[in-house]
Amino acid sequence: NAGVTQTPKFRVLKTGQSMTLLCAQDMNHEYMYWYRQDPGMGLRLIHYSVGEGTTAKGEVPDGYNVSRLKKQNFLLGLESAAPSQTSVYFCASSQRPASGTETQYFGPGTRLLVL
Amino acid sequence: AQKITQTQPGMFVQEKEAVTLDCTYDTSDPSYGLFWYKQPSSGEMIFLIYQGSYDQQNATEGRYSLNFQKARKSANLVISASQLGDSAMYFCAMREGLDSSYKLIFGSGTRLLVRP
Repeated sequence: NAGVTQTPKFRVLKTGQSMTLLCAQDMNHEYMYWYRQDPGMGLRLIHYSVGEGTTAKGEVPDGYNVSRLKKQNFLLGLESAAPSQTSVYFCASSQRPASGTETQYFGPGTRLLVL
Repeated sequence: AQKITQTQPGMFVQEKEAVTLDCTYDTSDPSYGLFWYKQPSSGEMIFLIYQGSYDQQNATEGRYSLNFQKARKSANLVISASQLGDSAMYFCAMREGLDSSYKLIFGSGTRLLVRP
């Protein structure tokens, strides 16, 4: 059982380049999230999805786009990378927390460096 | 205004002693959940413990317990009998029940170093 996986683990981009981060989960979770983590800060939500075919903006969505064409996959795109997008990106998934106790399960993270 | 505040950027504790990591939160939602995560140097986020706003008792999970003081809006993590492997970043997070995204709002974290 792989849980939540992220591809790639590490990437270096030049300013203006584009890339897509892939998140995959095998737990049949409805909800998926993309967060970014910057030094000295907690995770901040970029975009999220409450089901296949749906996406919504989070706290820091500018410069990113997402797609959820399949329930198990959540893609994060950077159309024109900027140095300010240098960060560690975490994907997470969860069931709808009906009882409240369900945690989000996190992927291992993707380190992105934009030069 | 910050919704989750962790006022201790870094802390030291002697091995085998207990340590308390502080977390205060701000919400007007009557239904919410509080989480603690551990992030070791390897980078992954590890779920430790959960406390619901309506839970009558403080949550416990092995050596982890949550000191939940609802009136003071605090949810401090207590680690008993610290081990060297407890050295890591610790994040407090909140999920608000009225927020249909069920997103987590994170504090800035506390770096814990366990001394041998």
